Amino acid sequence: DARVTQTPRHKVTEMGQEVTMRCQPILGHNTVFWYRQTMMQGLELLAYFRNRAPLDDSGMPKDRFSAEMPDATLATLKIQPSEPRDSAVYFCASGRGGENTQYFGPGTRLTVL
Amino acid sequence: GDSVTQMEGPVTLSEEAFLTINCTYTATGYPSLFWYVQYPGEGLQLLLKATKADDKGSNKGFEATYRKETTSFHLEKGSVQVSDSAVYFCALSIYSGGGADGLTFGKGTHLIIQP
Repeated sequence: DARVTQTPRHKVTEMGQEVTMRCQPILGHNTVFWYRQTMMQGLELLAYFRNRAPLDDSGMPKDRFSAEMPDATLATLKIQPSEPRDSAVYFCASGRGGENTQYFGPGTRLTVL
Repeated sequence: GDSVTQMEGPVTLSEEAFLTINCTYTATGYPSLFWYVQYPGEGLQLLLKATKADDKGSNKGFEATYRKETTSFHLEKGSVQVSDSAVYFCALSIYSGGGADGLTFGKGTHLIIQP
């Protein structure tokens, strides 16, 4: 049963530290999405890639967040420096071009102290 | 921009009751519509979807019909179970050249089913 995997599942860090979250999309999926979930804002799209090219990162704070796809099996979301307001659950999802269904990973719960 | 509005909870029902969770949307294009479910501590799971007007999505006893005239996609189930307790998200995406854009979500509806 193919699944999206995310690491780490939980991360506690101190303000100012760098945080890197990783996502492995389902094999054969060419579109990868990053979402953030908070109690106040709900689920927000941060960025997404198709065929490893960034298509939209308008939801991402540009000064501290960056998203990349070094290869087809790995997507990364980096926060540097982290701030307490970045505390949230970060979800990765993947999908096939030509389809509109997205499959979500279990999320990374980030706490910035 | 695109948006999704759904009734916020919590919604508390007794087991075997009829469920309706309302969802309406605004979109500039022709969206596909989805219901996702999130159980405590887990990611989102696709429950059902519909890609064009009058389509009905169904899964695990849940149903929703894409109503373009009322811009709605209400979720229904005839007889809920305790195991249906979760948070339900209505969402839309627009299909542009090459694939779907990111999902726009509603705020989520927390459903609690009591035995």
